[in-house]
Amino acid sequence: DTAVSQTPKYLVTQMGNDKSIKCEQNLGHDTMYWYKQDSKKFLKIMFSYNNKELIINETVPNRFSPKSPDKAHLNLHINSLELGDSAVYFCASSQDGRTGRANKETQYFGPGTRLLVL
Amino acid sequence: AQSVTQLDSQVPVFEEAPVELRCNYSSSVSVYLFWYVQYPNQGLQLLLKYLSGSTLVKGINGFEAEFNKSQTSFHLRKPSVHISDTAEYFCAVSSWAGATNKLIFGTGTLLAVQP
Repeated sequence: DTAVSQTPKYLVTQMGNDKSIKCEQNLGHDTMYWYKQDSKKFLKIMFSYNNKELIINETVPNRFSPKSPDKAHLNLHINSLELGDSAVYFCASSQDGRTGRANKETQYFGPGTRLLVL
Repeated sequence: AQSVTQLDSQVPVFEEAPVELRCNYSSSVSVYLFWYVQYPNQGLQLLLKYLSGSTLVKGINGFEAEFNKSQTSFHLRKPSVHISDTAEYFCAVSSWAGATNKLIFGTGTLLAVQP
């Protein structure tokens, strides 16, 4: 029944490791997003994909590589993890983020993945 | 460029009292505005949204917000809060990034309801 799901929910790892976070939506949406929430709870967009095509890349280090195997999935791979990558990562989706029509652009969020880099 | 300001980082209030969480935005174009709620250790849940039409928007859990274009505000209100309303509340504006939409969030307001 979950609309937007993420795995894992918690991720604790060592500096320098490579890790992936997965996101899936069963809403039939065409656009998916990754947001980062820092320790002060500030939320900022990282990436946006529409139908497997990268649309937004907000000056995120190239250690972060999103991958969209199909429009229902958007995964986030992080290489060479750093302490500053510790945050909560949220996946979101909208019906179509490119239409300029508000109802199609309302975003629905997943539960978040809490990443702690030691 | 669009931006959102939530002036209050924390709002303490007693149970059953009314509350208003303030949100101001800046934008040179028409905006879509949203309030999201984040309960402790959970994801973001859409509370309500203003897209067009009536400036008074009703959301879930008894919350409402009023879009005021002249004051560039979108304050969130509830006439009587419950302990279960304790959460972080985020105001957001939709920003058209040339090819797609993205949300610009405020810094959040922690609503702390006390018995």
